[in-house]
Amino acid sequence: KAGVTQTPRYLIKTRGQQVTLSCSPISGHRSVSWYQQTPGQGLQFLFEYFSETQRNKGNFPGRFSGRQFSNSRSEMNVSTLELGDSALYLCASSKPNTGELFFGEGSRLTVL
Amino acid sequence: EDKVVQSPLSLVVHEGDTVTLNCSYEVTNFRSLLWYKQEKKAPTFLFMLTSSGIEKKSGRLSSILDKKELFSILNITATQTGDSAVYLCAVEKNSGGYQKVTFGTGTKLQVIP
Repeated sequence: KAGVTQTPRYLIKTRGQQVTLSCSPISGHRSVSWYQQTPGQGLQFLFEYFSETQRNKGNFPGRFSGRQFSNSRSEMNVSTLELGDSALYLCASSKPNTGELFFGEGSRLTVL
Repeated sequence: EDKVVQSPLSLVVHEGDTVTLNCSYEVTNFRSLLWYKQEKKAPTFLFMLTSSGIEKKSGRLSSILDKKELFSILNITATQTGDSAVYLCAVEKNSGGYQKVTFGTGTKLQVIP
């Protein structure tokens, strides 16, 4: 059974640009969550999608957005990139009614 | 606001030592507490705890939850260099009919030969 797949794995952008990250969950998982991980802050919850609907949202500015498609694949977008957006962005999928998350390997974003 | 606090932030031990990692939390509508291990890549699931006082065990790792005092510990006995990783504690809560997971900042464990 394939795991959670995130693309791209690494990317470098400059301030002011925008970026789109993609996540394909484990087959059958309909919930997809996104997290930002930085050395000082740990894993910070961005948002969670279920059946194409955003169910929960963390405390991030509106520059961070996401969506989920009918096949459960999800994308997140960050517009007007700032240096502080440099981080590992992790996507996780889960079965219904469980907190056990299955993580992808992450997309490491560097903003110059 | 939900809080998950892990301690220590980091520690260095020798192979063979036993370590105890701590996780305390403050959340409303608690559902479960989870432990993950993160090496260089994706966090991997270790344990899910929902009931107080019942130890979960997997090889040299074990964990227990105290819902009255709002904390959990993760024990690793006879540590090996392969145990070096960041250990993440997370708490799941019921939020508007759904589940929301909040992570602590992690404990970085280094096991030296």
